[in-house]
Amino acid sequence: DSGVTQTPKHLITATGQRVTLRCSPRSGDLSVYWYQQSLDQGLQFLIHYYNGEERAKGNILERFSAQQFPDLHSELNLSSLELGDSALYFCASSPPLGGSYEQYFGPGTRLTVT
Amino acid sequence: AQSVTQPDIHITVSEGASLELRCNYSYGATPYLFWYVQSPGQGLQLLLKYFSGDTLVQGIKGFEAEFKRSQSSFNLRKPSVHWSDAAEYFCAVGLLRGYQKVTFGIGTKLQVIP
Repeated sequence: DSGVTQTPKHLITATGQRVTLRCSPRSGDLSVYWYQQSLDQGLQFLIHYYNGEERAKGNILERFSAQQFPDLHSELNLSSLELGDSALYFCASSPPLGGSYEQYFGPGTRLTVT
Repeated sequence: AQSVTQPDIHITVSEGASLELRCNYSYGATPYLFWYVQSPGQGLQLLLKYFSGDTLVQGIKGFEAEFKRSQSSFNLRKPSVHWSDAAEYFCAVGLLRGYQKVTFGIGTKLQVIP
């Protein structure tokens, strides 16, 4: 158990819908990262938040957005869903800058868009 | 830009045999290097990491990796593979520039045969 929690574990929804994925980082970690993992794209970095501020964006679509709240949990919002958005979505957290830099991954949310 | 290459997409070894998974990175300075393992349906778990110092690092589950600056490599090794090691292995390179940026390789899927 990494200490990172993600809900829900599974999500099935229809095209055009909107969903919210939730992540709680490990106690003491200020960074949250979101990744998308699919069979054809591998593990793709989406976005990084540090202590409530967006720090870096990767291959994140405009239909996707994220935020990190004052209690440090984060939410990833996916809207106008398409079949191709079906994937595993992971969040990871890491210690504050100046720490040991590794990322601790949650168990993931499996999103199926039908 | 930093990049990570895992040249072997799929490797099959016999139980009890030795294992070496290759990883090459591209970066101008010495980056932070990681190996993660992902069992089916699970999140990624950190096996080991290298930041500086001794170029041979020991990790969990009997794995080790050696950093070779001249070859820009960080290969993962295990002297005797167990059936439970069947999983996907990801090499990652990170740098710290006010935020942590980690790039993951495409992964190597390990199959262990009796």
